[in-house]
Amino acid sequence: QVQLVQSGAEVKKPGSSVKVSCKASGGTFSSYAISWVRQAPGQGLEWMGGIIPVFGTTNYAQQLQGRVTITADVLANTANMELSSLRSEDTAVYYCARHSHWNYRFNYYYFHSMDVWGQGTTVTVSS
Amino acid sequence: VIWMTQSPSLLSASTGDRVTISCRVSQDISSSLAWYQQKPGKAPDLLIYGASTLQGGVPSRFSGSGSGTDFTLTISRLQSEDFATYYCQQYYNVTYTFGQGTKLEIK
Repeated sequence: QVQLVQSGAEVKKPGSSVKVSCKASGGTFSSYAISWVRQAPGQGLEWMGGIIPVFGTTNYAQQLQGRVTITADVLANTANMELSSLRSEDTAVYYCARHSHWNYRFNYYYFHSMDVWGQGTTVTVSS
Repeated sequence: VIWMTQSPSLLSASTGDRVTISCRVSQDISSSLAWYQQKPGKAPDLLIYGASTLQGGVPSRFSGSGSGTDFTLTISRLQSEDFATYYCQQYYNVTYTFGQGTKLEIK
């Protein structure tokens, strides 16, 4: 049974960047899709973007375009999420999640539901 | 962007009750809808996908229904471990969106 293990908590200054990693243990994820979802304190879930590691194909939420970069290292079974130009509103718990499957139609990759989640990484942005 | 509206935002119920949570979507998404359960300090868990298919290991007291724009999550006999926050999520569009959540609390 695959588990997703994320890197530890981060405290960052406004304007800086943060990189969070997500490693699959007990299995591989290269042929699946991996998304990043964040949750601000007391708030709901927000999808940030995703990647299919075997292709390196990415898709990002429009409101984060230009600030978020998702990459994957297939050999290391690891996905990474980097968020730049941090502001206080980026303070949140960041989760990686595996999509159960994906398909391709009309020139887009569509990801299905998220069946395995990481434990979450707290990112605090404060001066 | 596809908008998701859950109701109610807060639901008070007792153990043994039957409860329903609604998720209304701003456009037709066929059956591309999932439900998640989240407990405080934990990552969400997938309960239902394809609007009505139970994820493996999820108790049969959970069920989902609906298609198009209106969906429902039903818990037939609430157990103590079911008090949590529930989210719907659409995966019809490449920008995946969640409902705002429904907190299920003990009455």
